[in-house]
Amino acid sequence: AQSVSQHNHHVILSEAASLELGCNYSYGGTVNLFWYVQYPGQHLQLLLKYFSGDPLVKGIKGFEAEFIKSKFSFNLRKPSVQWSDTAEYFCAVRGTGTALIFGKGTTLSVSS
Amino acid sequence: DTGVSQDPRHKITKRGQNVTFRCDPISEHNRLYWYRQTLGQGPEFLTYFQNEAQLEKSRLLSDRFSAERPKGSFSTLEIQRTEQGDSAMYLCASSLDGGMNTEAFFGQGTRLTVV
Repeated sequence: AQSVSQHNHHVILSEAASLELGCNYSYGGTVNLFWYVQYPGQHLQLLLKYFSGDPLVKGIKGFEAEFIKSKFSFNLRKPSVQWSDTAEYFCAVRGTGTALIFGKGTTLSVSS
Repeated sequence: DTGVSQDPRHKITKRGQNVTFRCDPISEHNRLYWYRQTLGQGPEFLTYFQNEAQLEKSRLLSDRFSAERPKGSFSTLEIQRTEQGDSAMYLCASSLDGGMNTEAFFGQGTRLTVV
């Protein structure tokens, strides 16, 4: 069965620090990969997605992610976080079928 | 707002009661998904419609759960004889039918509390 593992449950950073959130998935075939963000009190929003092509994908708000097929990883990065990035971040994969399989999420707290 | 709309936003019910939630997808989207999210977990897939046809159901969708999308537009999710373990956020999402390369847009969810 497909699964997604997010390594960090809770990350605490100061503003301007760099961010990397880990995501590994288990599925050997072609995958679509996603990072969603949920700001406090808001709905899930798409940050970025990978379907094919360049494994380094750029999303909104300065976020990027790198797909490394050999490592089954899709880590999220941002060079300099802001207080407004405080949110919960979910990695998701779609392999067979149409449903997204989500990780458990990482809570990011950024202090100003 | 032309996003995915869910109603109600919050529902408190007594154990054993039936509840029904509604989801209105983005108007041109023919795929509609239901997910459930409990505290500390990511969303878990429940079921999926393409137009009015329910094409996939998760093992999480017990016999007490039923979903419909009668005219291929809005959808309802009903839970019969609610149990405390049903307490969760129920999320609806919709997408275009674009094959693999489509993204899903989520609503704000209905938070169910069973007391």
